[in-house]
Amino acid sequence: DAEITQSPRHKITETGRQVTLACHQTWNHNNMFWYRQDLGHGLRLIHYSYGVHDTNKGEVSDGYSVSRSNTEDLPLTLESAASSQTSVYFCASSEHPRNSPLHFGNGTRLTVT
Amino acid sequence: DAKTTQPPSMDCAEGRAANLPCNHSTISGNEYVYWYRQIHSQGPQYIIHGLKNNETNEMASLIITEDRKSSTLILPHATLRDTAVYYCIVRVATGTASKLTFGTGTRLQVTL
Repeated sequence: DAEITQSPRHKITETGRQVTLACHQTWNHNNMFWYRQDLGHGLRLIHYSYGVHDTNKGEVSDGYSVSRSNTEDLPLTLESAASSQTSVYFCASSEHPRNSPLHFGNGTRLTVT
Repeated sequence: DAKTTQPPSMDCAEGRAANLPCNHSTISGNEYVYWYRQIHSQGPQYIIHGLKNNETNEMASLIITEDRKSSTLILPHATLRDTAVYYCIVRVATGTASKLTFGTGTRLQVTL
């Protein structure tokens, strides 16, 4: 069965370090998304991609970057981790532009100390 | 972007129908209403979506008012496993793809 997987499931890092969270989907979806979830804020969009070599900023993109070199992967990089980036991160993908659901991974819990 | 408003929490007895309301008074004519839920710390799970007609699948029913300014998600026979946070989302279309904007949702507690 097709799926979307995130790794690692848990990560602890120090302030100032570069961190990359992996997202891999076998749905062959063009559209991929990264969200962060914090208490009191729901899920907020960080970056998204419509296809290979395409990336776009979401509402909370500062301090994050993504790259899309193939259809299956959209890694999320924190250039210099900050304590404010402690959160749970979710990756998602979808098949069609508007009329198709998003499939979510099970998340990465990141702690920045 | 069209905003959604949901009650922060609701209770439902097991076996009864759970009716979760959502207001989206600024929705545009080509925007879909989506419902997701999130159980504990798992990733959000898709439930159902619709444009203007009522929809039903194996998980739930979606009732959208004629003016499309509100909708109701119905879980016909709630079980303890349906305890979760439920998100009502209006799908914004930009360019060739669209993104979801999540609010804070409704926390549904199903009790014995």
